[in-house]
Amino acid sequence: GENVEQHPSTLSVQEGDSAVIKCTYSDSASNYFPWYKQELGKRPQLIIDIRSNVGEKKDQRIAVTLNKTAKHFSLHITETQPEDSAVYFCAATTPVRFGAGTRLTVKP
Amino acid sequence: GAGVSQSPSNKVTEKGKDVELRCDPISGHTALYWYRQSLGQGLEFLIYFQGNSAPDKSGLPSDRFSAERTGGSVSTLTIQRTQQEDSAVYLCASGTSGSTDTQYFGPGTRLTVL
Repeated sequence: GENVEQHPSTLSVQEGDSAVIKCTYSDSASNYFPWYKQELGKRPQLIIDIRSNVGEKKDQRIAVTLNKTAKHFSLHITETQPEDSAVYFCAATTPVRFGAGTRLTVKP
Repeated sequence: GAGVSQSPSNKVTEKGKDVELRCDPISGHTALYWYRQSLGQGLEFLIYFQGNSAPDKSGLPSDRFSAERTGGSVSTLTIQRTQQEDSAVYLCASGTSGSTDTQYFGPGTRLTVL
């Protein structure tokens, strides 16, 4: 089955800086890579996803890149704000498996 | 519209007792997932239902855990002979189609085994 590794486990940045979280996966058949954000005490919510037929996707301050050859994908958050502080999970299919999560802290 | 709901929101039980956790997915969603999240930890996949297909049970940690999905809608996760290590938040999620689709999570059931 799929095995997803996520790094780093914790990340602290200053407001306005960029944050990058990286994930690797093992199953070359995986073709869908979502990212979820979980704020303290709340449920995970999808923030962006990418499918295997594209290499990059952007949505305002967040972007995801995918390298299928190397089997890794990354989340990029630019101009970070305190409200970006949360735990971020990557995932890969098939079947869906989540990474262990990255706790992002944005310091004002 | 209504999102994914779960009940109870909190459950405290004694070691050795059986518990049932319920998930009501978004109407029309054919995919349903169960996850376990221990305090400060990641999302541990338990089981996945997709339409009328046989469920993917590969994540169930032991034979004390089982799940059903009746009529392609409501799902129940049952834990028999609970152990203290079963204490966690159990999250349910649903989606419109298969595993390559957005998952909408419920609020979770916090299970505490004394």
